[in-house]
Amino acid sequence: NAGVTQTPKFQVLKTGQSMTLQCAQDMNHEYMSWYRQDPGMGLRLIHYSVGAGITDQGEVPNGYNVSRSTTEDFPLRLLSAAPSQTSVYFCASSRGSTSYNTEAFFGQGTRLTVV
Amino acid sequence: TQLLEQSPQFLSIQEGENLTVYCNSSSVFSSLQWYRQEPGEGPVLLVTVVTGGEVKKLKRLTFQFGDARKDSSLHITAAQPGDTGLYLCAGHQTGANNLFFGTGTRLTVIP
Repeated sequence: NAGVTQTPKFQVLKTGQSMTLQCAQDMNHEYMSWYRQDPGMGLRLIHYSVGAGITDQGEVPNGYNVSRSTTEDFPLRLLSAAPSQTSVYFCASSRGSTSYNTEAFFGQGTRLTVV
Repeated sequence: TQLLEQSPQFLSIQEGENLTVYCNSSSVFSSLQWYRQEPGEGPVLLVTVVTGGEVKKLKRLTFQFGDARKDSSLHITAAQPGDTGLYLCAGHQTGANNLFFGTGTRLTVIP
């Protein structure tokens, strides 16, 4: 059981380039989300999805797009990379979003540097 | 703005010492979770507390949810080097579709 798989683990982009961070889960979880982690700021929600075909914005959505065509996959697209997007990105999944005791399962993260 | 503030931000202690980490908010949460994150990995759930005043124990770790469900604490007894990591609290609010994460406490236990 792989859980949540993120690729790539490391990436260096030049300002203005675009790329897609991949996220896949094999637990049949309805809820998936993307966070970015910056020093001293914990995890901040970028976008989330409560099921296939449904996405919504989180706290810091600007500069990012998502789609959810299947239950398993939830890619995050950087449209035009900026140095402010240098961060560690985590994908997470859980059984649901409204259950108050829902455990979030995280991928290993993608460390992105924009130069 | 950060809904959940954790303190201290950094903590370095000797093996065998006790410590407490705090997670505070002015907002009410229906539940609160604690995660531990090790370098190069994603956070892993330690515990969920759902009732005001609830206390849960996980070996040497004791978690408490405040009576008003606005704050929580994590107490570690006789810390060991294996406790080293980033501790994150995360709250769920009724009607919300996501977890709000705290700012994190980075703990280092020195052998």
